[in-house]
Formats: sequence, structure tokens, C-alpha cells
Amino acid sequence: DQQVKQNSPSLSVQEGRISILNCDYTNSMFDYFLWYKKYPAEGPTFLISISSIKDKNEDGRFTVFLNKSAKHLSLHIVPSQPGDSAVYFCAEGVFQGAQKLVFGQGTRLTINP
Amino acid sequence: DGGITQSPKYLFRKEGQNVTLSCEQNLNHDAMYWYRQDPGQGLRLIYYSQIVNDFQKGDIAEGYSVSREKKESFPLTVTSAQKNPTAFYLCASSTPSNEQFFGPGTRLTVL
Repeated sequence: DQQVKQNSPSLSVQEGRISILNCDYTNSMFDYFLWYKKYPAEGPTFLISISSIKDKNEDGRFTVFLNKSAKHLSLHIVPSQPGDSAVYFCAEGVFQGAQKLVFGQGTRLTINP
Repeated sequence: DGGITQSPKYLFRKEGQNVTLSCEQNLNHDAMYWYRQDPGQGLRLIYYSQIVNDFQKGDIAEGYSVSREKKESFPLTVTSAQKNPTAFYLCASSTPSNEQFFGPGTRLTVL
């Protein structure tokens, strides 16, 4: 069974509006979550992270919210820009020497002009 | 510039052949990783290595092998035992406490 789920395979948002990407997880024994952004035929690039002891982390236009009681994570992008069009992956991580990340399936975000 | 390089970008192989994908990093990271991405799926961990001369299986290691003879290099061999090798392969590296940095990926197609 999928440990990290991104239930929306795609999302379309108007430029300037807020984009909200969601992620649900089942394993409570994690240390942090990460969001990665990926363009076609390229490797993912790190966007923002949140520690298990926090419920919010903000970096410029990007804010990640963690709701541990609901086992739910969301990424807010505001205002959305055309360059934000990409596939977004959430990943759950545990510090075990090396980082073992478990990724969601990804959500394709399209920003419309 | 520091980063991760993967070569080649596109690779074609005949069924039944082994093929080795290259991954090099000059970030001085101890840990390195190999992932596989299939359409509509997230990245799945194949193998990872915490230090030189040490590596562990990930979630989908069957049909793959790796080596870690140097800190900078973590080549992945896709063997003929891998039943569905056509995929996008991503290499990454990290320090223990920081996010993973990914290479540009290699798309392997089995003909």
C-alpha cells in the first residue's frame, strides 16, 4: 500500500492565484517531509522542507503546512507563476545515516495565464 | 560548479544485455542514492550508499547492482534479470542532515 499519497494527479490554477498541493501519509514515524519540483527529463530540485516538530514552514511564495492529527501535508504557492508549472513530489524522510525518502506519486501543476 | 552528473542522458539496450549507468558527484557528499521513476509513479529507491565500500538495497533492488569504490562515484548496473528496465533513472547525493540533490537523470529504453 502506498505510504505517501498524492491523490490529485493534476491541478490547473490561474496565474496569480493560490496553488494548493496535497499529500497524505500513513507512517507517523518520520523526521521530516520534503517537497521537490520536477520538470520533464530533469532531476527533481528541492523546494522546501518541514520538520516533524513543526506545523508550518514558509519560504518566499512557498508555505508548507503539516497536520499530524490528520496525517496531511500541503504546499501553498502564492501567487502562482507560469514557471511554477511542473510536477511536484512530496517525500517523507527518516534520518538513518543516509536519508531514506519515500515519495508520493506526484501532482502535475499547470499555471494558466 | 558543484553538482551531480549522470551519463548518458538517453540509453538504449537490447533485451538480455547488462548496462551500467554512471553517476558522479563533486559535492563531497557521503551518501548517494539511485531511484527509478515510472510514468504516474513517484520515485522508488533502488540502492543507497552511506559511505565508500558500503551500500544497501532499497525497495526495488532486484535485477540491479551497484558499487561504491570512490566517494564521488556510484554506478548502477541494470542486469538482464530486471524484468522491466525501461524507466527514468535518477541518482542523488546528500549529507546526513540535508536534502538530497538530484542529477539530471538517464532515460533507459530496452528495445
